[in-house]
Amino acid sequence: EAGVAQSPRYKIIEKRQSVAFWCNPISGHATLYWYQQILGQGPKLLIQFQNNGVVDDSQLPKDRFSAERLKGVDSTLKIQPAKLEDSAVYLCASSSARRDGYEQYFGPGTRLTVT
Amino acid sequence: GNSVTQMEGPVTLSEEAFLTINCTYTATGYPSLFWYVQYPGEGLQLLLKATKADDKGSNKGFEATYRKETTSFHLEKGSVQVSDSAVYFCALIRNYGQNFVFGPGTRLSVLP
Repeated sequence: EAGVAQSPRYKIIEKRQSVAFWCNPISGHATLYWYQQILGQGPKLLIQFQNNGVVDDSQLPKDRFSAERLKGVDSTLKIQPAKLEDSAVYLCASSSARRDGYEQYFGPGTRLTVT
Repeated sequence: GNSVTQMEGPVTLSEEAFLTINCTYTATGYPSLFWYVQYPGEGLQLLLKATKADDKGSNKGFEATYRKETTSFHLEKGSVQVSDSAVYFCALIRNYGQNFVFGPGTRLSVLP
């Protein structure tokens, strides 16, 4: 079974530029999560989708971050415009309660550096 | 709200030493508890989990018991190896569909 795919793996941009990340979850997983992991900290949930609907986006900085999951499969996370403090690893995860309880499967992440 | 507290790292041990990484949580109801591991340069992987009180999760020689009376889920291993060097994250989810909460992580270094 293929894992969670993310691209790109690395991205370097200047502040005020825009950037987008892509995630393809494990086939059949209804729930998709985007996390921000700042160096030395645990992952922080940005947004959670159930199929193509948003379940929780309470910690998403909506003035600059947006995410969508059209058709309930893959998802994109966008930052526009980026700030220095957005430098982090952005993790995508998916889960299927029906098969695995609450276990989340993580992708390799996208490391963003904002200069 | 829900939260997870872990012992501060880094933790440095010699090979074959006993490992304990403390984790305590705050949550209403009956959360499910997890330990995730992040090896250098890799993504997070589930190490073990427990979904109800007194359950013991185990994997790769690691164990953790869900203690509701002390709201704890401490990670233990009897004899660590150099290959166990990684960052370990304790996490909880209260109900399916609610957000996952991670602790800050504990870095473990095992020396030969």
